[in-house]
Amino acid sequence: DTGVSQDPRHKITKRGQNVTFRCDPISEHNRLYWYRQTLGQGPEFLTYFQNEAQLEKSRLLSDRFSAERPKGSFSTLEIQRTEQGDSAMYLCASSKPGTVYNEQFFGPGTRLTVL
Amino acid sequence: AQSVAQPEDQVNVAEGNPLTVKCTYSVSGNPYLFWYVQYPNRGLQFLLKYITGDNLVKGSYGFEAEFNKSQTSFHLKKPSALVSDSALYFCAVRDGQDSNYQLIWGAGTKLIIKP
Repeated sequence: DTGVSQDPRHKITKRGQNVTFRCDPISEHNRLYWYRQTLGQGPEFLTYFQNEAQLEKSRLLSDRFSAERPKGSFSTLEIQRTEQGDSAMYLCASSKPGTVYNEQFFGPGTRLTVL
Repeated sequence: AQSVAQPEDQVNVAEGNPLTVKCTYSVSGNPYLFWYVQYPNRGLQFLLKYITGDNLVKGSYGFEAEFNKSQTSFHLKKPSALVSDSALYFCAVRDGQDSNYQLIWGAGTKLIIKP
């Protein structure tokens, strides 16, 4: 499968624990996006990378959230000291270089449940 | 501020009938408009986009959408619905005047096609 992959698919954790999610984009895509989606809502933008540079970060992304893309390939999203309000589906997407309106290709998501 | 509205939480259509899923938007500059579909337990899939040119855009699975600048709308249509079209549909917009890469998403419309 040459699509966007995310790991794990599901994560259950206790409040206060740290969690880390991984996203592997389509290999030739240099742009990578993280979104959060809650039930009954559309995706909310969290952050965006072009190659290894984090170019945009939403105000939704509190200081407990950090994302990296160290070599411009896979990316990780870490949530420290998780709260019940962090429970959501975390989506990763990638798009190819070129125009700013290239469509984004999404992974299956990581569903986080904070108990 | 940019925004997207999908006024219907759910649309019910009989198989074989035409379907319309509505989307209206608000941006400062020229809009880049997208439709995505989300099937259960699967990632968001790109259907079609409008960037410029012909107001009628054709996409995957027989879907099309019509851009109407005066009504600031980008409704998704299909002439003859299939049961397999049942899914969650999202409209998204990017303001062409913005320097960022964020997509603003609607809350989604659940499409149910009844046999």
